[in-house]
Amino acid sequence: GQNIDQPTEMTATEGAIVQINCTYQTSGFNGLFWYQQHAGEAPTFLSYNVLDGLEEKGRFSSFLSRSKGYSYLLLKELQMKDSASYLCAVNEAGTALIFGKGTTLSVSS
Amino acid sequence: DADVTQTPRNRITKTGKRIMLECSQTKGHDRMYWYRQDPGLGLRLIYYSFDVKDINKGEISDGYSVSRQAQAKFSLSLESAIPNQTALYFCATSPRPGQGNTGELFFGEGSRLTVL
Repeated sequence: GQNIDQPTEMTATEGAIVQINCTYQTSGFNGLFWYQQHAGEAPTFLSYNVLDGLEEKGRFSSFLSRSKGYSYLLLKELQMKDSASYLCAVNEAGTALIFGKGTTLSVSS
Repeated sequence: DADVTQTPRNRITKTGKRIMLECSQTKGHDRMYWYRQDPGLGLRLIYYSFDVKDINKGEISDGYSVSRQAQAKFSLSLESAIPNQTALYFCATSPRPGQGNTGELFFGEGSRLTVL
């Protein structure tokens, strides 16, 4: 089985940087995903890490350390539209993605 | 048109009724999934299918069944609905990982089910 932990809620202000952490315990690790979900909408894909290190995509970056069972999503230059839930999900080989409970980020002006 | 289509989008039903949620996709993906989402509990996996002849239980399969009628169709049934099955249900698809694919999920817009 898998155990995925991330903070329930975070707050930040426009223009700031926020880091959302995710820790996991799993066997047969086969990749970690981050998704964004606005209220009432479907999740949308943000990033994927399978090797250790940082993946950068515009204002968003995601980091993975497989030995520590740890990932973070870094959001820079926060905008009001970044207010959403951020979902960490882990893939084990041969199975489906399992999601953490999500982190609700509130961005204020 | 959406690549992953769920019907119905909203449904209110009564305890004990049989309910089917349908999902169809035009993405040509082999893999399909059903998740439910509850406030504070995140997305939980109900069933998944890696091809037409493959059905696998997820974290919370009790009280649910599925049918993979074709590559493009994957339906979720509640044989006798109960109030704690009130939730937002998402269907998702993914390509097989490899050959440049991460295996990321593509979600439908969700089906909101209320069981009274």
